[in-house]
Amino acid sequence: GAVVSQHPSWVICKSGTSVKIECRSLDFQATTMFWYRQFPKQSLMLMATSNEGSKATYEQGVEKDKFLINHASLTLSTLTVTSAHPEDSSFYICSARDKTGANTGELFFGEGSRLTVL
Amino acid sequence: DQQVKQNSPSLSVQEGRISILNCDYTNSMFDYFLWYKKYPAEGPTFLISISSIKDKNEDGRFTVFLNKSAKHLSLHIVPSQPGDSAVYFCAAKTGGGNKLTFGTGTQLKVEL
Repeated sequence: GAVVSQHPSWVICKSGTSVKIECRSLDFQATTMFWYRQFPKQSLMLMATSNEGSKATYEQGVEKDKFLINHASLTLSTLTVTSAHPEDSSFYICSARDKTGANTGELFFGEGSRLTVL
Repeated sequence: DQQVKQNSPSLSVQEGRISILNCDYTNSMFDYFLWYKKYPAEGPTFLISISSIKDKNEDGRFTVFLNKSAKHLSLHIVPSQPGDSAVYFCAAKTGGGNKLTFGTGTQLKVEL
């Protein structure tokens, strides 16, 4: 299957700083990427849909100014958590879809990034 | 509003036996259902899917059954292996939509 890579896997930062997480589709072009967040023992919650060359579409309740998403190319999307606070500590996962997934909804996920804000 | 529900947070099965993971949904507009497997500190990996126009899809040891009238689907793993121990998420999408709605997951433990 298609490969999606996420970096970094782990990040610890101080409260008030910003953290950038990268998501790359390694062997296919992804016009659409998705950013999810998972709290312990909870479901994956979609934060935003990232479209190449245009603004991201955020889900209700997700702060656009706090979670900046950029999708500058067909293989790279970035999520920047600005002015991070301890409550932002979570597991962030990106995903992307290749051409066949457009109908089936099948997504390929990155490895996830564990953010801990002290 | 939890549109996709996995009511069993955990399931324990002996190696070689059948594992049955259940999922219920409320949105009749869902047209594809997917199962993902997730190990700790990793992203989910796709396992198997089923279109809403079918009632069964089989892939090796994995079979997904869909009962549209009951808005229920299940994933059967047989025979279960220790490597199957993971969290299994049920997900669904609506026609023409981008978004996958996930259930809360079921932790499967396959014991020797």
